[in-house]
Amino acid sequence: KQEVTQIPAALSVPEGENLVLNCSFTDSAIYNLQWFRQDPGKGLTSLLLIQSSQREQTSGRLNASLDKSSGRSTLYIAASQPGDSATYLCAATFYNQGGKLIFGQGTELSVKP
Amino acid sequence: DVKVTQSSRYLVKRTGEKVFLECVQDMDHENMFWYRQDPGLGLRLIYFSYDVKMKEKGDIPEGYSVSREKKERFSLILESASTNQTSMYLCASTLGRAELFFGEGSRLTVL
Repeated sequence: KQEVTQIPAALSVPEGENLVLNCSFTDSAIYNLQWFRQDPGKGLTSLLLIQSSQREQTSGRLNASLDKSSGRSTLYIAASQPGDSATYLCAATFYNQGGKLIFGQGTELSVKP
Repeated sequence: DVKVTQSSRYLVKRTGEKVFLECVQDMDHENMFWYRQDPGLGLRLIYFSYDVKMKEKGDIPEGYSVSREKKERFSLILESASTNQTSMYLCASTLGRAELFFGEGSRLTVL
């Protein structure tokens, strides 16, 4: 069974710190991986999409990497700010699953001023 | 920008009522999805659709049905709402296996 796991479930850091969020998946036949942000009571906002042929993607202070061989993706947030506080979810699409995404449980990030 | 619009942000219904949740996307996406999100359980796929009039069961289809009469609109139907269907419902759309876009969510409370 294909699974996506995010550890830890919650993370608290002081403002200004660089941090890494982790996402692991059980099947190397990954098509792409997407990172989302979710604010309380809201929908998910897409942050970055990495295709299986790519190693990383960058958007502003965010950098996402993908390592198929180890079954891992990381989301790096530079110089964290209180406004980065949210839940971050990763989701993977695999080759034999059509367009379906398999989601991790998310990491709730709190950036303290 | 892609826009996925869910018609109702908050609904309160009574047990046994029929509930319609509407979702519209404006980017001609072929794939549309309905998820529910519950604390501790994450996002779970209810139904998805790859084309007009096509539907596929997700992981938890029981108690739900869907309708896709037009490409831009995907409706989730609770034929007889129950209290265990109290949840946040999220609609999403994508073109092929590209980036997935979500609506703002519909929080349903069944009394």
